[in-house]
Amino acid sequence: GQQLNQSPQSMFIQEGEDVSMNCTSSSIFNTWLWYKQEPGEGPVLLIALYKAGELTSNGRLTAQFGITRKDSFLNISASIPSDVGIYFCAGQLRNTPLVFGKGTRLSVIA
Amino acid sequence: DAMVIQNPRYQVTQFGKPVTLSCSQTLNHNVMYWYQQKSSQAPKLLFHYYDKDFNNEADTPDNFQSRRPNTSFCFLDIRSPGLGDAAMYLCATSRGHLDYTFGSGTRLTVV
Repeated sequence: GQQLNQSPQSMFIQEGEDVSMNCTSSSIFNTWLWYKQEPGEGPVLLIALYKAGELTSNGRLTAQFGITRKDSFLNISASIPSDVGIYFCAGQLRNTPLVFGKGTRLSVIA
Repeated sequence: DAMVIQNPRYQVTQFGKPVTLSCSQTLNHNVMYWYQQKSSQAPKLLFHYYDKDFNNEADTPDNFQSRRPNTSFCFLDIRSPGLGDAAMYLCATSRGHLDYTFGSGTRLTVV
């Protein structure tokens, strides 16, 4: 089946720093999604990308759908303690279930 | 608010004792999914219902079954839980395969 490579696996950063994480795939997707999951909760959608090259922001978060349709990145600017959690990318081909990356665990040091 | 509700949030079951997890939704989404998520891993799709059609993932063990009696409810039955089945179980819904919404999950402990 399709697999997503998400990196880095974990990050420790100082409050106020910017963060970047990315996902790559060996095959193309029609949709890229970025989720955040906090302990004991389900994933919550942050940003959805539907078009190659699309760059979308949601507050301090910015994500891009790669032109090759095989990759996506998520940036978080000026991190704050509540940004702590696990960030998952997910790719989707039309009319099929999501495929998830393995997640990036973000720790923010105040 | 429209949402996906999973009950219970925490479930403890005995090794080998059948257990059922439940999911309900008020979104009127036609697709419902069950994912298994182990610690620090990505959610793994077990199966999904597209309307009434059941779609099992090839590597989902036979020990896991599902029922969807109506649009709003979906159940995950684990017939004989083993220690390796301890995990967070996430229910999700979507419209077609769009607008995914996840529940808060049920954390299953097997003793």
